Amino acid sequence: AQKVTQAQTEISVVEKEDVTLDCVYETRDTTYYLFWYKQPPSGELVFLIRRNSFDEQNEISGRYSWNFQKSTSSFNFTITASQVVDSAVYFCALSSRNQGGKLIFGQGTELSVKP
Amino acid sequence: NAGVTQTPKFQVLKTGQSMTLQCAQDMNHEYMSWYRQDPGMGLRLIHYSVGAGITDQGEVPNGYNVSRSTTEDFPLRLLSAAPSQTSVYFCASSYSVRRTGELFFGEGSRLTVL
Repeated sequence: AQKVTQAQTEISVVEKEDVTLDCVYETRDTTYYLFWYKQPPSGELVFLIRRNSFDEQNEISGRYSWNFQKSTSSFNFTITASQVVDSAVYFCALSSRNQGGKLIFGQGTELSVKP
Repeated sequence: NAGVTQTPKFQVLKTGQSMTLQCAQDMNHEYMSWYRQDPGMGLRLIHYSVGAGITDQGEVPNGYNVSRSTTEDFPLRLLSAAPSQTSVYFCASSYSVRRTGELFFGEGSRLTVL
């Protein structure tokens, strides 16, 4: 069975602090994909990133960076110099070809960035 | 572009009533799915479809039916609503099964069952 665990239910930081959101996944498949989605207070879901299991290279996009480590089955998300607009619920998700491509989400981490 | 359109946005039902949540996408996406979002539970997959005429169950399919007669539409039917089905429902689509995960989501439908 596939599973995604986001152990941090809520995180609160002050603006300009760095924050890391943890994501641990379980799968028996060798080909799989990991994702992060953002859900701001308005409620829509916004795709942030997709990584496949064969590419462990870390990725940086502006203030966002992702650390993929197969050895620990983790795909952590770091926001550098957080801003109030980063306040949202962030979801980590997993899919694999052997599971018909179904996307399974973690429970989500609610990030609150205070001015 | 309309993207993924869900209707209605809000609905209140009484226990035992049935209803259909509509979902339509105009991007010619192969893959469509329904999720429900509950506090502390994340998004849980109800049903999904990899193409017209093909549907399959997700994590929490009980109490829901789907069909996919066209590429564009993927309605979700609640057969006999229960208070446990009070939730926010999201429809999502993706270009293909191989690219599943880069989902485009609708705006959500908030359902309350009394």
